Amino acid sequence: DVKVTQSSRYLVKRTGEKVFLECVQDMDHENMFWYRQDPGLGLRLIYFSYDVKMKEKGDIPEGYSVSREKKERFSLILESASTNQTSMYLCASSLKPGEDSGNTIYFGEGSWLTVV
Amino acid sequence: TQLLEQSPQFLSIQEGENLTVYCNSSSVFSSLQWYRQEPGEGPVLLVTVVTGGEVKKLKRLTFQFGDARKDSSLHITAAQPGDTGLYLCAGDDAGSARQLTFGSGTQLTVLP
Repeated sequence: DVKVTQSSRYLVKRTGEKVFLECVQDMDHENMFWYRQDPGLGLRLIYFSYDVKMKEKGDIPEGYSVSREKKERFSLILESASTNQTSMYLCASSLKPGEDSGNTIYFGEGSWLTVV
Repeated sequence: TQLLEQSPQFLSIQEGENLTVYCNSSSVFSSLQWYRQEPGEGPVLLVTVVTGGEVKKLKRLTFQFGDARKDSSLHITAAQPGDTGLYLCAGDDAGSARQLTFGSGTQLTVLP
């Protein structure tokens, strides 16, 4: 069974703290994604990676960075957390286009981050 | 960035009623997916539609892809409380490495 695991389900951090959100997938997928989900705004893509050490900005990369040192792990970093980064963060993975019809994305359970 | 608009944003109905959720775009997608998300969980894929005009059925759920591959609908017959959740459509632009563009979602509540 496919599995995307996000290390922290609930976090509370102070403004200005550095925050790491970790994500691991066990499906040998090339693509990995970080989204944030806010009421009424759907899922917005922060960053994605299509290979180890490769990354691309999504729609809302400001205030975030990512790291992909190993194929199975994709980390989201908030260098200096701010209150407007309070949100639900979702990690996801998928095969390269063409290797899986419809480019199915598999999501983790989400990480709820509150910045106070 | 391609945009997907979902309507309605919120829907509250009684058990046994029928409902339809719409997903519209001005852009053409190579395929369109529907996900359901339950509270505290990540979205889970329900179906992928690929061909213009395609209709797929999943028990009481019927999914349709528009002929021009710009829009889709999800129809639920005789809704049950277990159908409660956030329904998300997502368009796949095969030419883009970023893959899916998500709609803003429809929050469905089915009351017993």
